Amino acid sequence: DQQVKQNSPSLSVQEGRISILNCDYTNSMFDYFLWYKKYPAEGPTFLISISSIKDKNEDGRFTVFLNKSAKHLSLHIVPSQPGDSAVYFCAASAWKQLTFGSGTQLTVLP
Amino acid sequence: DTGVSQDPRHKITKRGQNVTFRCDPISEHNRLYWYRQTLGQGPEFLTYFQNEAQLEKSRLLSDRFSAERPKGSFSTLEIQRTEQGDSAMYLCASSLNAGAISGNTIYFGEGSWLTVV
Repeated sequence: DQQVKQNSPSLSVQEGRISILNCDYTNSMFDYFLWYKKYPAEGPTFLISISSIKDKNEDGRFTVFLNKSAKHLSLHIVPSQPGDSAVYFCAASAWKQLTFGSGTQLTVLP
Repeated sequence: DTGVSQDPRHKITKRGQNVTFRCDPISEHNRLYWYRQTLGQGPEFLTYFQNEAQLEKSRLLSDRFSAERPKGSFSTLEIQRTEQGDSAMYLCASSLNAGAISGNTIYFGEGSWLTVV
Protein backbone atom coordinates (compact mmCIF):
# COMPACT_ATOMS: atom_id res chain seq x y z
CA ASP A 1 0.00 0.00 0.00
CA GLN A 2 1.82 3.08 -1.27
CA GLN A 3 0.75 5.95 0.92
CA VAL A 4 2.89 8.53 -0.87
CA LYS A 5 2.98 8.45 -4.65
CA GLN A 6 5.06 10.27 -7.20
CA ASN A 7 3.55 9.21 -10.50
CA SER A 8 6.14 10.83 -12.76
CA PRO A 9 9.43 8.94 -12.65
CA SER A 10 11.15 11.61 -14.73
CA LEU A 11 10.82 15.21 -15.84
CA SER A 12 12.92 17.28 -18.25
CA VAL A 13 12.84 21.05 -18.20
CA GLN A 14 14.75 23.76 -20.02
CA GLU A 15 17.07 25.93 -17.95
CA GLY A 16 15.33 29.06 -16.74
CA ARG A 17 11.86 27.54 -16.96
CA ILE A 18 9.67 26.33 -14.12
CA SER A 19 9.92 22.75 -12.84
CA ILE A 20 6.80 21.32 -11.22
CA LEU A 21 7.08 18.06 -9.32
CA ASN A 22 3.92 16.41 -8.03
CA CYS A 23 3.09 14.14 -5.13
CA ASP A 24 -0.14 12.50 -3.94
CA TYR A 25 -0.84 10.90 -0.60
CA THR A 26 -3.59 8.78 0.88
CA ASN A 27 -3.13 8.95 4.66
CA SER A 28 -5.15 11.76 6.24
CA MET A 29 -3.03 11.47 9.40
CA PHE A 30 0.06 12.93 7.72
CA ASP A 31 0.76 16.25 9.37
CA TYR A 32 3.99 17.37 7.75
CA PHE A 33 5.31 17.12 4.22
CA LEU A 34 8.88 17.43 3.06
CA TRP A 35 10.85 17.41 -0.15
CA TYR A 36 14.30 15.89 -0.32
CA LYS A 37 16.82 16.08 -3.12
CA LYS A 38 19.19 13.22 -3.85
CA TYR A 39 22.28 13.00 -6.01
CA PRO A 40 23.63 9.58 -7.07
CA ALA A 41 25.56 7.75 -4.36
CA GLU A 42 24.59 10.32 -1.72
CA GLY A 43 21.95 10.41 0.98
CA PRO A 44 18.84 12.58 0.64
CA THR A 45 19.25 16.25 1.47
CA PHE A 46 16.37 18.23 2.95
CA LEU A 47 15.01 20.91 0.64
CA ILE A 48 11.76 22.40 1.92
CA SER A 49 8.79 21.42 4.06
CA ILE A 50 5.23 22.42 4.80
CA SER A 51 2.92 21.86 7.73
CA SER A 52 -0.54 20.48 7.07
CA ILE A 53 -2.05 23.68 8.44
CA LYS A 54 -0.54 25.73 5.62
CA ASP A 55 -1.10 25.70 1.89
CA LYS A 56 2.12 27.32 0.69
CA ASN A 57 5.72 27.66 1.79
CA GLU A 58 8.39 29.49 -0.14
CA ASP A 59 12.16 29.44 0.16
CA GLY A 60 14.09 31.23 -2.55
CA ARG A 61 13.55 29.47 -5.86
CA PHE A 62 11.57 26.67 -4.20
CA THR A 63 7.87 26.77 -3.34
CA VAL A 64 5.78 23.92 -2.02
CA PHE A 65 2.01 23.95 -2.38
CA LEU A 66 -0.33 21.74 -0.38
CA ASN A 67 -3.92 20.95 -1.34
CA LYS A 68 -5.31 18.97 1.57
CA SER A 69 -8.71 18.34 0.06
CA ALA A 70 -7.08 16.73 -2.96
CA LYS A 71 -4.31 15.15 -0.88
CA HIS A 72 -1.82 16.61 -3.29
CA LEU A 73 1.35 18.61 -2.99
CA SER A 74 3.72 20.04 -5.51
CA LEU A 75 7.19 21.53 -5.60
CA HIS A 76 7.86 24.45 -7.92
CA ILE A 77 11.40 25.41 -8.85
CA VAL A 78 11.75 28.78 -10.57
CA PRO A 79 13.98 29.38 -12.41
CA SER A 80 15.34 25.89 -12.94
CA GLN A 81 19.11 25.51 -13.09
CA PRO A 82 21.27 22.63 -14.38
CA GLY A 83 22.49 22.04 -10.81
CA ASP A 84 18.92 21.20 -9.83
CA SER A 85 19.19 17.96 -11.81
CA ALA A 86 18.68 15.21 -9.23
CA VAL A 87 16.07 12.82 -7.89
CA TYR A 88 13.43 14.56 -5.81
CA PHE A 89 11.58 12.65 -3.11
CA CYS A 90 8.36 13.69 -1.53
CA ALA A 91 7.98 12.53 2.08
CA ALA A 92 5.20 12.72 4.63
CA SER A 93 5.27 12.30 8.38
CA ALA A 94 2.76 10.93 10.83
CA TRP A 95 4.40 11.70 14.20
CA LYS A 96 7.56 9.68 14.27
CA GLN A 97 8.83 8.64 10.88
CA LEU A 98 8.86 9.58 7.25
CA THR A 99 7.11 7.80 4.40
CA PHE A 100 8.72 8.50 1.06
CA GLY A 101 7.47 8.48 -2.50
CA SER A 102 9.42 6.67 -5.21
CA GLY A 103 11.06 9.84 -6.51
CA THR A 104 11.12 11.91 -9.69
CA GLN A 105 14.31 12.32 -11.70
CA LEU A 106 14.53 15.97 -12.73
CA THR A 107 16.82 16.87 -15.60
CA VAL A 108 17.37 20.54 -16.33
CA LEU A 109 18.68 21.01 -19.83
CA PRO A 110 21.10 23.89 -20.50
CA ASP B 1 32.52 17.20 9.16
CA THR B 2 29.79 17.04 11.82
CA GLY B 3 27.10 15.38 9.72
CA VAL B 4 25.78 11.82 9.89
CA SER B 5 28.52 9.41 8.89
CA GLN B 6 28.16 5.82 7.77
CA ASP B 7 30.70 3.05 7.37
CA PRO B 8 31.46 1.27 5.14
CA ARG B 9 30.21 3.18 2.13
CA HIS B 10 30.24 0.08 0.00
CA LYS B 11 30.17 -3.61 0.86
CA ILE B 12 30.16 -6.62 -1.45
CA THR B 13 29.47 -9.91 0.25
CA LYS B 14 28.66 -13.46 -0.66
CA ARG B 15 25.21 -14.80 0.00
CA GLY B 16 24.97 -16.32 3.45
CA GLN B 17 27.60 -14.08 5.03
CA ASN B 18 26.90 -11.60 7.82
CA VAL B 19 27.46 -7.88 7.38
CA THR B 20 27.44 -4.98 9.82
CA PHE B 21 27.00 -1.29 9.10
CA ARG B 22 27.83 1.51 11.49
CA CYS B 23 26.23 4.92 11.81
CA ASP B 24 27.51 7.89 13.76
CA PRO B 25 24.75 10.47 14.11
CA ILE B 26 25.13 14.19 14.65
CA SER B 27 26.50 14.34 18.17
CA GLU B 28 23.65 15.98 20.07
CA HIS B 29 20.88 14.12 18.24
CA ASN B 30 18.88 11.75 20.38
CA ARG B 31 16.88 10.08 17.63
CA LEU B 32 18.42 7.75 15.06
CA TYR B 33 16.72 6.09 12.10
CA TRP B 34 17.59 3.35 9.65
CA TYR B 35 16.08 3.31 6.16
CA ARG B 36 16.64 1.06 3.16
CA GLN B 37 16.51 2.19 -0.45
CA THR B 38 16.44 0.01 -3.55
CA LEU B 39 16.78 1.20 -7.13
CA GLY B 40 13.77 3.12 -8.38
CA GLN B 41 12.21 3.37 -4.94
CA GLY B 42 12.20 5.89 -2.16
CA PRO B 43 13.76 5.16 1.22
CA GLU B 44 11.75 2.70 3.32
CA PHE B 45 11.67 2.95 7.10
CA LEU B 46 13.30 0.08 8.98
CA THR B 47 13.63 1.15 12.61
CA TYR B 48 14.40 4.03 14.92
CA PHE B 49 15.95 4.67 18.31
CA GLN B 50 15.22 7.28 20.93
CA ASN B 51 18.56 7.40 22.74
CA GLU B 52 19.43 3.73 23.32
CA ALA B 53 15.87 2.44 23.15
CA GLN B 54 14.64 0.88 19.93
CA LEU B 55 11.08 2.17 19.79
CA GLU B 56 9.74 0.98 16.46
CA LYS B 57 10.55 -1.67 13.91
CA SER B 58 9.09 -2.02 10.44
CA ARG B 59 7.76 -5.35 9.25
CA LEU B 60 10.53 -5.06 6.63
CA LEU B 61 12.99 -5.82 9.41
CA SER B 62 13.09 -9.61 9.33
CA ASP B 63 14.62 -11.79 12.03
CA ARG B 64 17.91 -11.69 10.15
CA PHE B 65 18.21 -7.98 10.81
CA SER B 66 19.23 -6.54 14.15
CA ALA B 67 20.00 -2.96 15.10
CA GLU B 68 21.58 -1.65 18.26
CA ARG B 69 22.45 1.68 19.77
CA PRO B 70 24.16 0.58 22.98
CA LYS B 71 25.11 3.91 24.49
CA GLY B 72 22.68 6.15 22.71
CA SER B 73 25.36 7.42 20.37
CA PHE B 74 26.47 5.34 17.36
CA SER B 75 24.33 2.53 15.98
CA THR B 76 24.99 -0.71 14.15
CA LEU B 77 22.77 -2.59 11.74
CA GLU B 78 23.65 -6.25 11.28
CA ILE B 79 22.27 -8.50 8.58
CA GLN B 80 22.79 -12.21 9.15
CA ARG B 81 22.79 -14.86 6.41
CA THR B 82 22.53 -12.25 3.68
CA GLU B 83 20.32 -12.89 0.65
CA GLN B 84 20.45 -11.30 -2.78
CA GLY B 85 17.25 -9.43 -1.97
CA ASP B 86 19.12 -7.58 0.78
CA SER B 87 21.12 -5.69 -1.87
CA ALA B 88 20.23 -2.04 -1.32
CA MET B 89 21.47 1.23 0.09
CA TYR B 90 21.11 1.40 3.86
CA LEU B 91 20.57 4.93 5.04
CA CYS B 92 21.02 6.24 8.54
CA ALA B 93 19.47 9.50 9.70
CA SER B 94 19.34 11.43 12.94
CA SER B 95 17.32 14.19 14.51
CA LEU B 96 17.14 16.19 17.70
CA ASN B 97 13.42 16.26 18.27
CA ALA B 98 11.79 14.00 20.79
CA GLY B 99 8.32 14.36 19.44
CA ALA B 100 6.67 14.74 16.08
CA ILE B 101 8.70 15.53 13.04
CA SER B 102 8.50 19.28 12.61
CA GLY B 103 10.47 20.08 9.54
CA ASN B 104 14.07 20.06 8.45
CA THR B 105 15.24 18.20 11.49
CA ILE B 106 16.06 14.83 9.95
CA TYR B 107 19.54 14.62 8.50
CA PHE B 108 20.63 11.67 6.38
CA GLY B 109 24.04 10.12 5.98
CA GLU B 110 25.45 9.23 2.60
CA GLY B 111 24.37 5.62 2.89
CA SER B 112 26.03 2.23 2.82
CA TRP B 113 25.68 0.28 -0.41
CA LEU B 114 25.30 -3.46 0.03
CA THR B 115 25.69 -5.87 -2.87
CA VAL B 116 25.06 -9.54 -2.16
CA VAL B 117 26.47 -11.87 -4.82
